[in-house]
Amino acid sequence: NAGVTQTPKFRVLKTGQSMTLLCAQDMNHEYMYWYRQDPGMGLRLIHYSVGEGTTAKGEVPDGYNVSRLKKQNFLLGLESAAPSQTSVYFCASSSSSGKYEQYFGPGTRLTVT
Amino acid sequence: AQSVSQHNHHVILSEAASLELGCNYSYGGTVNLFWYVQYPGQHLQLLLKYFSGDPLVKGIKGFEAEFIKSKFSFNLRKPSVQWSDTAEYFCAVKPYTGGFKTIFGAGTRLFVKA
Repeated sequence: NAGVTQTPKFRVLKTGQSMTLLCAQDMNHEYMYWYRQDPGMGLRLIHYSVGEGTTAKGEVPDGYNVSRLKKQNFLLGLESAAPSQTSVYFCASSSSSGKYEQYFGPGTRLTVT
Repeated sequence: AQSVSQHNHHVILSEAASLELGCNYSYGGTVNLFWYVQYPGQHLQLLLKYFSGDPLVKGIKGFEAEFIKSKFSFNLRKPSVQWSDTAEYFCAVKPYTGGFKTIFGAGTRLFVKA
């Protein structure tokens, strides 16, 4: 049981490049989330999904897109990276039966130059 | 807007000192409350949670937290910290209604001197 995994762990992009972050969970959770973590700001919700094929905007969705084609996967895309998107990105999942306790992945450290 | 405030951004303690980290939230309805911990280089993991019942909840590694509804607070405590408690601690609030979003505080960095 791997829990929540994220790939890649590190990435450096140039301004304007695109990339996709992959999150996978093997706990059959309904809900999945993408957060960014910046110093002094805690975790801010980018997008989330309440089930396969559904996504919704969080607190800071601009510049990001997501897709949830399979229940176990939640993809975060950056179409045209900007230096302001330099951050650590965490994926999380939770189930309704688990009272929304979230399980987090190890994070992806992204630097945009 | 709903928010979570953690009063201390950085705390430095010596081993065996007592710890209390403050957390206040702004939401008038029923909430689920969480403390998560992030050890250096690791991902966030749940430390403890409150859903209902006894307002004093115990978590892993000797941590406990008390929910005081009248003060909208959920402070984290540990009677005697260890060097291995050095980490960043996040308070989080999940309103009972209004969707699936959990609101996180900005975090408190704890450094325990050996």
